[in-house]
Amino acid sequence: GENVEQHPSTLSVQEGDSAVIKCTYSDSASNYFPWYKQELGKGPQLIIDIRSNVGEKKDQRIAVTLNKTAKHFSLHITETQPEDSAVYFCAAPTGTASKLTFGTGTRLQVTL
Amino acid sequence: NAGVMQNPRHLVRRRGQEARLRCSPMKGHSHVYWYRQLPEEGLKFMVYLQKENIIDESGMPKERFSAEFPKEGPSILRIQQVVRGDSAAYFCASSPARADNQPQHFGDGTRLSIL
Repeated sequence: GENVEQHPSTLSVQEGDSAVIKCTYSDSASNYFPWYKQELGKGPQLIIDIRSNVGEKKDQRIAVTLNKTAKHFSLHITETQPEDSAVYFCAAPTGTASKLTFGTGTRLQVTL
Repeated sequence: NAGVMQNPRHLVRRRGQEARLRCSPMKGHSHVYWYRQLPEEGLKFMVYLQKENIIDESGMPKERFSAEFPKEGPSILRIQQVVRGDSAAYFCASSPARADNQPQHFGDGTRLSIL
């Protein structure tokens, strides 16, 4: 089955700085990699995803990069704002199956 | 949250009682997934259903847990004879097709507390 590792577990940055969260996966057949943001008391919200046929995808201040050879993918948030503070999860499907395996999460704190 | 509706938001049960968690997927979505989240942990897959069919229940305990997604109405996750270890947040997600083709969108969860 898929194994997803996520680092760091906590990340504190100053407002305006960039934040980078990294994940590795084990199943070379995985072809879809979503990132979720979870605020306190809420469900995970999909913020960006990438498929294995591209190496990078960007949406305003958020970008995701994928290295299929090394089996790792990263989330980049630029010009961080206090409202970016939340727990972020990476995920990968188990091969061609539909279930997602989640990383253990990164608690991002953006300070003023 | 993205149109997936879960209820109740909070559920308190005593040990030995039954818990029923409901999930209405986004309009047009026919695939439903249930995940469990313990405090300070990631989400763990439990079961994947399509209308009237269980596709993958590999993450669901063999005893006391069951799930259904009838032709009409919401998907139900049922936990019989609850124990303290069942206390967790249970999240439902839906997609219009298999997740490796389409993203999964989550509801805001049901927080189950066992007294």
